[in-house]
Amino acid sequence: GEDVEQSLFLSVREGDSSVINCTYTDSSSTYLYWYKQEPGAGLQLLTYIFSNMDMKQDQRLTVLLNKKDKHLSLRIADTQTGDSAIYFCAERPYSSASKIIFGSGTRLSIRP
Amino acid sequence: DGGITQSPKYLFRKEGQNVTLSCEQNLNHDAMYWYRQDPGQGLRLIYYSQIVNDFQKGDIAEGYSVSREKKESFPLTVTSAQKNPTAFYLCASSMEPGPTGEQYFGPGTRLTVT
Repeated sequence: GEDVEQSLFLSVREGDSSVINCTYTDSSSTYLYWYKQEPGAGLQLLTYIFSNMDMKQDQRLTVLLNKKDKHLSLRIADTQTGDSAIYFCAERPYSSASKIIFGSGTRLSIRP
Repeated sequence: DGGITQSPKYLFRKEGQNVTLSCEQNLNHDAMYWYRQDPGQGLRLIYYSQIVNDFQKGDIAEGYSVSREKKESFPLTVTSAQKNPTAFYLCASSMEPGPTGEQYFGPGTRLTVT
Protein backbone atom coordinates (compact mmCIF):
# COMPACT_ATOMS: atom_id res chain seq x y z
CA GLY A 1 0.00 0.00 0.00
CA GLU A 2 0.87 3.65 -0.08
CA ASP A 3 1.76 5.35 3.17
CA VAL A 4 3.96 8.25 4.21
CA GLU A 5 5.02 8.71 7.82
CA GLN A 6 6.59 11.62 9.66
CA SER A 7 7.14 12.53 13.28
CA LEU A 8 4.66 15.14 14.47
CA PHE A 9 6.92 17.67 16.19
CA LEU A 10 10.44 19.03 16.02
CA SER A 11 11.94 21.84 18.11
CA VAL A 12 15.28 23.45 17.25
CA ARG A 13 17.24 26.46 18.40
CA GLU A 14 17.44 29.45 16.11
CA GLY A 15 20.58 29.26 13.99
CA ASP A 16 20.88 25.47 14.27
CA SER A 17 20.09 23.03 11.47
CA SER A 18 16.70 21.33 11.36
CA VAL A 19 16.36 17.82 9.99
CA ILE A 20 12.86 16.56 9.22
CA ASN A 21 12.54 12.88 8.41
CA CYS A 22 10.01 10.92 6.41
CA THR A 23 9.52 7.29 5.43
CA TYR A 24 7.38 6.01 2.61
CA THR A 25 6.26 2.57 1.56
CA ASP A 26 5.82 2.65 -2.21
CA SER A 27 9.13 1.72 -3.81
CA SER A 28 7.78 2.71 -7.22
CA SER A 29 7.51 6.37 -6.25
CA THR A 30 8.79 8.59 -9.02
CA TYR A 31 8.94 11.95 -7.30
CA LEU A 32 9.07 12.94 -3.64
CA TYR A 33 8.18 16.40 -2.39
CA TRP A 34 8.50 18.71 0.57
CA TYR A 35 5.78 21.25 1.20
CA LYS A 36 5.59 24.01 3.83
CA GLN A 37 2.36 25.20 5.46
CA GLU A 38 2.25 28.37 7.53
CA PRO A 39 -0.64 28.90 9.97
CA GLY A 40 -4.00 29.27 8.26
CA ALA A 41 -2.50 29.06 4.77
CA GLY A 42 -2.27 26.63 1.90
CA LEU A 43 0.73 24.44 1.14
CA GLN A 44 3.77 25.87 -0.58
CA LEU A 45 6.02 23.58 -2.60
CA LEU A 46 9.56 23.87 -1.23
CA THR A 47 11.41 21.34 -3.33
CA TYR A 48 11.14 17.93 -4.94
CA ILE A 49 13.52 15.14 -5.84
CA PHE A 50 13.36 12.54 -8.56
CA SER A 51 13.69 8.98 -7.33
CA ASN A 52 16.95 8.32 -9.17
CA MET A 53 18.70 11.12 -7.26
CA ASP A 54 20.36 10.84 -3.85
CA MET A 55 20.58 14.48 -2.95
CA LYS A 56 19.32 17.85 -4.01
CA GLN A 57 20.46 21.19 -2.60
CA ASP A 58 18.69 24.52 -2.95
CA GLN A 59 20.14 27.39 -0.89
CA ARG A 60 19.47 26.51 2.78
CA LEU A 61 17.55 23.35 1.90
CA THR A 62 19.11 19.93 1.39
CA VAL A 63 17.04 16.88 0.49
CA LEU A 64 18.50 13.41 1.01
CA LEU A 65 16.89 10.31 -0.44
CA ASN A 66 17.76 6.78 0.63
CA LYS A 67 15.77 4.70 -1.81
CA LYS A 68 16.86 1.38 -0.30
CA ASP A 69 15.44 2.35 3.10
CA LYS A 70 12.61 4.45 1.58
CA HIS A 71 13.74 7.37 3.72
CA LEU A 72 13.59 11.03 2.79
CA SER A 73 14.92 13.94 4.82
CA LEU A 74 14.84 17.71 4.62
CA ARG A 75 17.65 19.68 6.20
CA ILE A 76 17.19 23.40 6.79
CA ALA A 77 20.47 25.14 7.52
CA ASP A 78 20.66 28.17 9.84
CA THR A 79 17.03 27.82 10.93
CA GLN A 80 15.20 31.12 11.35
CA THR A 81 11.95 32.06 13.08
CA GLY A 82 10.33 32.37 9.66
CA ASP A 83 10.91 28.65 9.18
CA SER A 84 8.28 27.88 11.85
CA ALA A 85 5.61 25.93 10.00
CA ILE A 86 4.29 22.45 9.29
CA TYR A 87 6.37 20.52 6.77
CA PHE A 88 4.73 17.82 4.68
CA CYS A 89 6.52 15.02 2.93
CA ALA A 90 4.70 13.59 -0.11
CA GLU A 91 5.25 10.91 -2.73
CA ARG A 92 3.95 10.37 -6.23
CA PRO A 93 3.58 6.64 -6.86
CA TYR A 94 4.41 5.35 -10.34
CA SER A 95 0.96 3.78 -10.52
CA SER A 96 -0.74 7.12 -10.02
CA ALA A 97 -0.88 9.51 -12.94
CA SER A 98 -1.66 12.50 -10.79
CA LYS A 99 -2.34 11.55 -7.17
CA ILE A 100 0.14 12.53 -4.50
CA ILE A 101 0.20 10.85 -1.09
CA PHE A 102 0.90 13.20 1.83
CA GLY A 103 2.32 12.50 5.25
CA SER A 104 0.65 13.94 8.33
CA GLY A 105 3.16 16.77 8.62
CA THR A 106 5.93 17.75 11.07
CA ARG A 107 5.40 20.92 13.09
CA LEU A 108 8.73 22.75 13.36
CA SER A 109 9.07 25.22 16.22
CA ILE A 110 12.06 27.49 16.74
CA ARG A 111 13.51 28.29 20.20
CA PRO A 112 15.35 31.59 20.69
CA ASP B 1 -0.58 37.05 -11.26
CA GLY B 2 -1.01 33.33 -11.85
CA GLY B 3 -2.38 31.25 -9.05
CA ILE B 4 -5.24 29.49 -7.31
CA THR B 5 -7.92 31.35 -5.43
CA GLN B 6 -10.36 29.95 -2.93
CA SER B 7 -13.26 31.84 -1.51
CA PRO B 8 -14.33 32.63 1.04
CA LYS B 9 -11.49 32.23 3.55
CA TYR B 10 -13.94 31.54 6.39
CA LEU B 11 -17.40 30.03 6.02
CA PHE B 12 -20.03 29.36 8.65
CA ARG B 13 -23.11 27.21 8.12
CA LYS B 14 -25.86 25.62 10.12
CA GLU B 15 -26.10 21.86 10.26
CA GLY B 16 -28.33 20.44 7.53
CA GLN B 17 -27.41 23.05 4.91
CA ASN B 18 -25.42 22.36 1.78
CA VAL B 19 -22.52 24.70 1.14
CA THR B 20 -20.36 25.24 -1.95
CA LEU B 21 -16.66 26.15 -1.77
CA SER B 22 -15.14 27.94 -4.72
CA CYS B 23 -11.80 27.13 -6.36
CA GLU B 24 -10.48 28.97 -9.43
CA GLN B 25 -7.09 28.71 -11.14
CA ASN B 26 -5.50 30.68 -13.99
CA LEU B 27 -2.44 28.45 -14.35
CA ASN B 28 -3.92 26.62 -17.33
CA HIS B 29 -3.63 23.37 -15.38
CA ASP B 30 -5.68 20.39 -16.48
CA ALA B 31 -5.89 18.62 -13.12
CA MET B 32 -7.54 19.93 -9.97
CA TYR B 33 -7.97 18.44 -6.50
CA TRP B 34 -9.86 18.92 -3.25
CA TYR B 35 -8.34 17.95 0.09
CA ARG B 36 -9.60 18.06 3.61
CA GLN B 37 -7.26 18.85 6.52
CA ASP B 38 -8.14 18.21 10.15
CA PRO B 39 -6.01 19.36 13.10
CA GLY B 40 -2.89 17.24 13.54
CA GLN B 41 -3.63 15.25 10.42
CA GLY B 42 -2.33 15.20 6.92
CA LEU B 43 -4.29 15.93 3.78
CA ARG B 44 -6.99 13.55 2.70
CA LEU B 45 -8.12 13.54 -0.92
CA ILE B 46 -11.85 14.16 -1.47
CA TYR B 47 -12.18 14.39 -5.26
CA TYR B 48 -9.93 15.06 -8.20
CA SER B 49 -10.39 15.91 -11.85
CA GLN B 50 -7.83 15.26 -14.56
CA ILE B 51 -9.77 16.94 -17.34
CA VAL B 52 -12.87 19.04 -17.92
CA ASN B 53 -16.18 17.19 -17.50
CA ASP B 54 -14.50 14.30 -15.70
CA PHE B 55 -13.73 13.67 -12.03
CA GLN B 56 -12.97 10.75 -9.71
CA LYS B 57 -13.62 10.04 -6.06
CA GLY B 58 -10.72 10.28 -3.69
CA ASP B 59 -10.37 8.56 -0.34
CA ILE B 60 -13.17 10.38 1.50
CA ALA B 61 -15.76 11.37 -1.13
CA GLU B 62 -18.87 10.46 0.88
CA GLY B 63 -21.00 13.53 1.63
CA TYR B 64 -19.26 15.68 -1.00
CA SER B 65 -19.93 16.47 -4.66
CA VAL B 66 -18.01 18.33 -7.35
CA SER B 67 -18.37 19.56 -10.91
CA ARG B 68 -15.83 20.45 -13.56
CA GLU B 69 -17.63 22.35 -16.30
CA LYS B 70 -14.72 24.72 -16.96
CA LYS B 71 -10.99 24.15 -16.91
CA GLU B 72 -10.48 27.03 -14.49
CA SER B 73 -13.08 26.07 -11.91
CA PHE B 74 -13.64 23.08 -9.60
CA PRO B 75 -16.30 23.88 -6.97
CA LEU B 76 -16.86 21.53 -4.03
CA THR B 77 -20.27 21.10 -2.40
CA VAL B 78 -20.36 19.87 1.16
CA THR B 79 -23.76 18.27 1.55
CA SER B 80 -25.83 17.70 4.65
CA ALA B 81 -24.90 14.02 4.36
CA GLN B 82 -21.31 14.76 5.40
CA LYS B 83 -21.26 13.75 9.06
CA ASN B 84 -18.39 15.91 10.23
CA PRO B 85 -17.96 18.79 7.78
CA THR B 86 -16.05 21.25 10.00
CA ALA B 87 -12.49 21.32 8.59
CA PHE B 88 -9.95 23.24 6.53
CA TYR B 89 -10.47 22.62 2.80
CA LEU B 90 -7.64 22.97 0.33
CA CYS B 91 -7.86 23.09 -3.44
CA ALA B 92 -4.86 22.31 -5.66
CA SER B 93 -4.01 22.01 -9.34
CA SER B 94 -1.29 20.45 -11.46
CA MET B 95 -0.25 20.02 -15.07
CA GLU B 96 -1.60 16.78 -16.48
CA PRO B 97 0.40 14.87 -17.42
CA GLY B 98 3.13 16.90 -15.84
CA PRO B 99 6.78 15.88 -15.91
CA THR B 100 7.23 16.29 -12.20
CA GLY B 101 3.65 16.14 -10.94
CA GLU B 102 3.85 18.81 -8.29
CA GLN B 103 0.60 20.33 -7.10
CA TYR B 104 0.02 23.99 -6.38
CA PHE B 105 -2.32 24.94 -3.57
CA GLY B 106 -4.81 27.67 -2.89
CA PRO B 107 -4.98 29.49 0.48
CA GLY B 108 -7.77 27.27 1.81
CA THR B 109 -11.29 27.74 3.17
CA ARG B 110 -12.07 27.07 6.82
CA LEU B 111 -15.61 25.72 7.12
CA THR B 112 -17.38 25.68 10.46
CA VAL B 113 -20.73 23.95 10.75
CA THR B 114 -22.75 24.33 13.95
